[in-house]
Parts: sequence; C-alpha cells; structure tokens
Amino acid sequence: GAVVSQHPSWVICKSGTSVKIECRSLDFQATTMFWYRQFPKQSLMLMATSNEGSKATYEQGVEKDKFLINHASLTLSTLTVTSAHPEDSSFYICSARDNGYGYTFGSGTRLTVV
Amino acid sequence: DQQVKQNSPSLSVQEGRISILNCDYTNSMFDYFLWYKKYPAEGPTFLISISSIKDKNEDGRFTVFLNKSAKHLSLHIVPSQPGDSAVYFCAASSNTGKLIFGQGTTLQVKP
Repeated sequence: GAVVSQHPSWVICKSGTSVKIECRSLDFQATTMFWYRQFPKQSLMLMATSNEGSKATYEQGVEKDKFLINHASLTLSTLTVTSAHPEDSSFYICSARDNGYGYTFGSGTRLTVV
Repeated sequence: DQQVKQNSPSLSVQEGRISILNCDYTNSMFDYFLWYKKYPAEGPTFLISISSIKDKNEDGRFTVFLNKSAKHLSLHIVPSQPGDSAVYFCAASSNTGKLIFGQGTTLQVKP
C-alpha cells in the first residue's frame, strides 16, 4: 500500500531557531500533500495544502512566513518552522493523496521548542 | 466554524459489545467521508470510508453509515475489542481534496 515517511519523528530546538520537517511519499507520486497540526487532545487542524511546483495554499490564520512549505518534487514536501517559539510546540503531521482516492498520513513529528 | 463535529469526547464500552461513534457535518459540499484511528504521537490510520452516493459501507467489524439529509455519519464497531481502544477521528472532504477533521472521540473498550 501507499506509504508516507515523515522525518524527524521528534525534535527539540531552541527558541529562535528553525526546524525543517520532511514528508516523502515512498511508493507513489503525490502532486498534493497536506500539512496538519495537532495540539494535545484536539483535532488535526489543516495548515496548508502543498502543491508540487507551485506555492502552497495556506488556511486562514496560518502565517505563511513562519511556516514555509516547499514541494520541490512529486515525492517530497518540507515544512520549515522559522524562528520557532514555545507556542509552536505541537505535533505536525503530513498526508498525501495516493493514486486512488485515499489519504496516507505520515507518522508525525513532535516539535518541542525550549 | 467547526465543519465536522464529534460531540462525544469519550466513549466506554464492554468488550464484545457494539461501539457507535457519531459525527455531524455542516458543509453540504462534502462528498467523501473517512474514519481514522489514532494513537498518541502517531499519524492517523485509515479505517473505512464512504462516498456520499452510498449510505452504508462495511469492512469486517467496521461499518460506516451515512445519513445525508441529517448530515450525520456513524461508525459501528462490532464486536468491540480492547485493541480498538484509541482516538477515532471522522474526516470529510469535498472536491478541493482537503480533509477536515472532527475533534475526535476517545474509545475505551474494557475487557
């Protein structure tokens, strides 16, 4: 079946630094990937839609200059949290739409900003 | 504006009995609905889906029912097993391809 690999699975960074999270579709091409954020005991909130070869589409309220998304190839999308602050600490998850009608999720990245 | 709602934050059932998880939505443009199971610090795992042209889809112990007029769907798990204990999210999508999630329901199946 379709597999999406997300790295790193967890990261701790200092306040003010940037962190990059990678999302790869391993056995299919994904023209569109999605990035979600989940706070503890809350829903998965869609942050942005990542389109291969074009700019990402951000949901209302999501700072595009803070959460930089790059979808350089059909199998790779990256999310960079710039100038991270403690309030950015969260669980970030990517997903990709596979060749059928399904959505495959990565395993998520736990970001802790100290 | 919460377009997909799971009004029950938690549900506890006895092993072997039926678990019924509910989900309501407001956007009539949604045409595809999915249920996911999720453990802490892991990505969601797909369980079952249903297209808006159907009112029922069954896969083993899992059945999803869709009532379009009521904008309501439900996931039935029977018989429930302790391994089913997790957080369950319903999600909906339209032709935009975006998945919108509910708040989740924590299911506990007691042995």
